[in-house]
Amino acid sequence: DIQMTQSPSSLSASVGDRVTITCRASQSIVNYLNWYQQRPGKAPELLISGASNLQSGVPSRFSGGGSGTDFTLTISSLQPEDFATYFCQQSYTTLPYTFGQGTNLEIK
Amino acid sequence: QLQLQESGPGLVKPSETLSLSCAVSGASVTSSPYYWGWIRQPPGKGLEWIGSISYRGDTYYNPSLKSRVTISVDTSKNQFSLRLSSVTTADTAFYYCARPTVTPPYTFDPWGQGTLVTVSS
Repeated sequence: DIQMTQSPSSLSASVGDRVTITCRASQSIVNYLNWYQQRPGKAPELLISGASNLQSGVPSRFSGGGSGTDFTLTISSLQPEDFATYFCQQSYTTLPYTFGQGTNLEIK
Repeated sequence: QLQLQESGPGLVKPSETLSLSCAVSGASVTSSPYYWGWIRQPPGKGLEWIGSISYRGDTYYNPSLKSRVTISVDTSKNQFSLRLSSVTTADTAFYYCARPTVTPPYTFDPWGQGTLVTVSS
């Protein structure tokens, strides 16, 4: 299985801050990397696909980058609704799909 | 608009079989090129893909769960189902149904709201 490692596991930040979350794959996954946002008590929602493609309706303050084994999710100016848990997921190999352990973004 | 909704018992005894259904609206479960999937999340932990089924009924399971998992489609109710046998407390989790996309980069979108299943005697 391809292991996905996110860092940090948790992060405290303030409204207006710029934050970056990192996801590292145990082998190259090219750009088969997706990001999800999970607000408390809710199901995950797709934010970014293919490492850098913002889904329709997702604010432009979100951006994704990287290729190979190292990827980033950046929020340029945190808004109150952005405090949530973020997961990365690889789809380079689909048996099985695997996810990162999540990054909990909390209000400082 | 495609929408998914899980249903099923919230409490299952150890060694028994967990059974959940996912009602689909906005598409037929047998329409090409749809696939359907299950993902779970133990409380406070990360996500684990359980398996997927195609519109033709082809199944794909996580090797870690394959011996205990069955995913099937019920065309009369336009839903798909999950059965997980011989459960233990380690199977306590939120269970989500979701639609795996069939073109790269293969995402899960949308998801159902999720249902908590607790394994306890």
